[in-house]
Amino acid sequence: GESVGLHLPTLSVQEGDNSIINCAYSNSASDYFIWYKQESGKGPQFIIDIRSNMDKRQGQRVTVLLNKTVKHLSLQIAATQPGDSAVYFCAEISMDTGRRALTFGSGTRLQVQP
Amino acid sequence: EAQVTQNPRYLITVTGKKLTVTCSQNMNHEYMSWYRQDPGLGLRQIYYSMNVEVTDKGDVPEGYKVSRKEKRNFPLILESPSPNQTSLYFCASSGRVGEKLFFGSGTQLSVL
Repeated sequence: GESVGLHLPTLSVQEGDNSIINCAYSNSASDYFIWYKQESGKGPQFIIDIRSNMDKRQGQRVTVLLNKTVKHLSLQIAATQPGDSAVYFCAEISMDTGRRALTFGSGTRLQVQP
Repeated sequence: EAQVTQNPRYLITVTGKKLTVTCSQNMNHEYMSWYRQDPGLGLRQIYYSMNVEVTDKGDVPEGYKVSRKEKRNFPLILESPSPNQTSLYFCASSGRVGEKLFFGSGTQLSVL
């Protein structure tokens, strides 16, 4: 099977706890950010996005926070469930690249203990 | 169901034997892209297409070709595969460039 993320940072939480996954970005011209979830054997799945004119956006059980001052993005998952176990990637798009490609972070593995 | 479909799911081949990985989307998306995913290197863009007959190189295009003759299809071609192209490949699409991408399930390629 896939061996993606052999050396990823890992966050281990108890079922029912809240999880916070962090991501730092370096390009101050980035104006659109996305969180993806990747389960074993599957492609990345869109979770939530945020544009640079916002600092917070909420979805179902998930919240994304954007701090442009320190170039930091976080994903908060409320009441974490075993099904949330996966690798989570942040991605950014910058206005200063003509092709406006998504640039992905290296990912964080979330392990939910029952 | 809206989806990106890529085939095959797994592929083992030998050095130099041409292969094609197919990708199709049913969402009428303009933008399509290929990524490879390697441990420690994350997802890197190989090629992308902003629309039919419009393709361009991503970050790691060497050894790959693509074509976009129809809006829904975006095949990835390896004319002469080498072992360093052993990787997990993802096709993705979005309505337009700069929007969130929808990914296929991946193709695990091993080149011996």
